[in-house]
Formats: sequence, structure tokens, C-alpha cells
Amino acid sequence: EIVLTQSPATMSLSPGERATLSCRASQSVSRYLAWYQQKPGQAPRLLIYDASKRATGIPARFSGSGSGTDFTLTISSLEPEDFAVYYCQQRSNWPQYTFGQGTKLEIK
Amino acid sequence: EVQLVESGGGLVQPGGSLRLSCAASGFTFSSYDMHWVRQTIGKRLEWVSGIGTGGESYYSGSVKGRFTISRENAENSLYLHMNSLRAGDTAVYYCVLGVHCSTTSCYEGPLGYWGQGTLVTVSS
Repeated sequence: EIVLTQSPATMSLSPGERATLSCRASQSVSRYLAWYQQKPGQAPRLLIYDASKRATGIPARFSGSGSGTDFTLTISSLEPEDFAVYYCQQRSNWPQYTFGQGTKLEIK
Repeated sequence: EVQLVESGGGLVQPGGSLRLSCAASGFTFSSYDMHWVRQTIGKRLEWVSGIGTGGESYYSGSVKGRFTISRENAENSLYLHMNSLRAGDTAVYYCVLGVHCSTTSCYEGPLGYWGQGTLVTVSS
């Protein structure tokens, strides 16, 4: 099983600041890495797929990068609605998908 | 608009059974892979099972042999039959469509659309 490790577990930032979230895979997943945002009481929402492609309707302040085992989700300037939990997920060994444990982005 | 509506969750005793259903609309159900993903009390996300367009099924190691995924394309419905339930199966279960669509095309793979989830609690 491919294990995804996200860091940090919690990140405290202010609106307007830049957020950089990390996801590391235990083995190469090529570029088959996605990012999801989840707000309280809601289902996860797809933000980024295939490492760097923004999903439909996702603002340009969200960007993804990386390949192989190291990936990054960047939010260039935080808006109040961006404070949530973010998960990475790999689909390299379809359909045995795995998720990271999540990074909670909270308001400082 | 894609809609996925789960039902069938509830409280069940350890060793019991439950069947989850997912009613799909807004897309050609028979054309895409479908999945069940669960989220534990601790908020960890776990892929549970997936089914291809031809009915081929796949399971995580933690549920293999106990859960059965199925689909009824004529009814635009996805199911998850859960047997021998354990406390560790307690979670919110999401029905998920394995595709992402832009305004012009669809791309299979990403978990692009999620239902609202149904809670399964396994407890005596």
C-alpha cells in the first residue's frame, strides 16, 4: 500500500498570507496525486488533480506542483473561506486509492 | 448537475449487516467507475471499494470478504452490502464518482463528485 504523509498536521496563518502544504508518498505515484478541501459538515471537494491541474471552478490562487514522491499545494493569498482541512490522495495503483491524514489550515 | 444521494446508514450491532444505496443523477451512470469512500470519527479518509463500468469490483484489504459493491445501471444506483460489521467500520460513507468534468470534456480518475454521506455506527 502506498502511504501518503502530509505536513504539517496543523497550520496557523492569517488571511492574505501564503500557505504551502506538503504531501509525501512512500513510493512514486508519478503525477497521479490529487488535493481535496473539506469544510465542517461537508464532503471533500476536488481542488487539484494530476498534481497540478485545477478542477473546474477552483480559484487560481490554488496551485499544485510535484511529481514522483513529493507534492505541494500552494494557496497564494488566503481568503477567509480557505480555512479548512486539506487531504492529498493518490491513484497511481488504481483502484487502491489512498489518502493522506490531512492538514488543518486554521486562522491565526 | 451531478447528484449523488446516499441512504441506508444507521446503528447496527457488531456482526450485523447493512446495505447502503446511492442514487445517481445528472450524468450517464453506466459510463463511469463508482466508489465508496469512508471517513472515520477521527476524520481519516479511506477508500473502501470501487466498481468499473463492466461490473468488476475492487476492495480495500480491511473490508475484502465482508463487503460487496454492486451497481444497477438501469436504476442509476450504486450499492454497498456490508456484512460482519465491526466497530472499526463506524464512519460516514460517501458515494463518489470517479471522474472530473470541465465544460468541454470528462476525465476519468479523479474523485470529482461526492455525495453528502451516510453515517454507519457499529455498536452494541
